[in-house]
Amino acid sequence: QKEVEQNSGPLSVPEGAIASLNCTYSDRGSQSFFWYRQYSGKSPELIMSIYSNGDKEDGRFTAQLNKASQYVSLLIRDSQPSDSATYLCAVNVGSSYKLIFGSGTRLLVRP
Amino acid sequence: DADVTQTPRNRITKTGKRIMLECSQTKGHDRMYWYRQDPGLGLRLIYYSFDVKDINKGEISDGYSVSRQAQAKFSLSLESAIPNQTALYFCATSDSDRDPGYGYTFGSGTRLTVV
Repeated sequence: QKEVEQNSGPLSVPEGAIASLNCTYSDRGSQSFFWYRQYSGKSPELIMSIYSNGDKEDGRFTAQLNKASQYVSLLIRDSQPSDSATYLCAVNVGSSYKLIFGSGTRLLVRP
Repeated sequence: DADVTQTPRNRITKTGKRIMLECSQTKGHDRMYWYRQDPGLGLRLIYYSFDVKDINKGEISDGYSVSRQAQAKFSLSLESAIPNQTALYFCATSDSDRDPGYGYTFGSGTRLTVV
């Protein structure tokens, strides 16, 4: 079982819709969770981090964490074509200070 | 100038050649990492270093070696390149003075092709 799993997609949504991206992880000792956005051929860019159960909102982005169920999700409201990218979920396992990445979900926002 | 600089940006090399990828940073971070990215496989950790005297293997270190020449410099070497090392390589840094797992700053990447 992979440590961090994501659906590869593509997830296709119309412009203005809510995009919902999901991630599950296997290590219950995981403490910190991150969402990175990566455009094709570019480096990952951190967009959200979350450490506690519940929701964390930043502009159009909301990260949700449920440690009991071992999943973390990212909601993108009012999706724009510029949001089309691959979204990487990353998990910091215990106090290791190294991130384990999922394989990413490709998001396509249709104009 | 970029906070995390990788050189070269692109490289084509032949099987069996030794190649070094370099990473330097101006962020003052103590932790540095090398990842490779392959289509459909996400980012996989090759090596990481928490200070100049600390080097650790990641999940896919075979065929690679690293050198932490200074706090700001972390180099990745392929001793004898093979075609399945063709990938996009990223260097990343993080800061131990921030909250645990604060997140990384990535370099722009090196696209390596082994023919």
